[in-house]
Amino acid sequence: KQEVTQIPAALSVPEGENLVLNCSFTDSAIYNLQWFRQDPGKGLTSLLLIQSSQREQTSGRLNASLDKSSGRSTLYIAASQPGDSATYLCAVLSGGYQKVTFGIGTKLQVIP
Amino acid sequence: NAGVTQTPKFQVLKTGQSMTLQCAQDMNHNSMYWYRQDPGMGLRLIYYSASEGTTDKGEVPNGYNVSRLNKREFSLRLESAAPSQTSVYFCASSRTGATLNQPQHFGDGTRLSIL
Repeated sequence: KQEVTQIPAALSVPEGENLVLNCSFTDSAIYNLQWFRQDPGKGLTSLLLIQSSQREQTSGRLNASLDKSSGRSTLYIAASQPGDSATYLCAVLSGGYQKVTFGIGTKLQVIP
Repeated sequence: NAGVTQTPKFQVLKTGQSMTLQCAQDMNHNSMYWYRQDPGMGLRLIYYSASEGTTDKGEVPNGYNVSRLNKREFSLRLESAAPSQTSVYFCASSRTGATLNQPQHFGDGTRLSIL
């Protein structure tokens, strides 16, 4: 059974700092991995999707990498801003539609 | 720019009552999903609809039914609510018939409490 772990559970950093969020998964046979952002009381917003054949994806200040063989992904946020404060979740697709497995998330606070 | 719209946003039910959660998307997406999110757990898939006219069970389907009314709408029904169904429910949609290559778009959720 696929399991997705995100470390740390919570992170607090001063504004302007670069930071890395981690996601690990137990079954390396995945189709893709997505990083989401969730604001309090809101739904999830897709940030980046990395297909299994890709090593990384970039969008603005965000860069996500994927190492399938080691079962790891990282989300790098450059020059963090208070508006980046949210919970970040990763999810892996390792089978059919029903095989999407989400992590619990990392709650990020960027302090002005 | 509505995206995925869920109604209601909040609901309190008594054990044994029934209720239907509504979801509609205006992005012409083929696939739609229902998830639940509980504290300390990742989102879990309840049911999904790969395309109009089809529905399939996800990881935690017991106690729920769904209807893909048309391409836009996908409803989730609790026939006899139980306290264990207290949760935040999210509807999502994606363009193609799989999550393989297309990101999912989520609604803002329905916060459901069963007393």
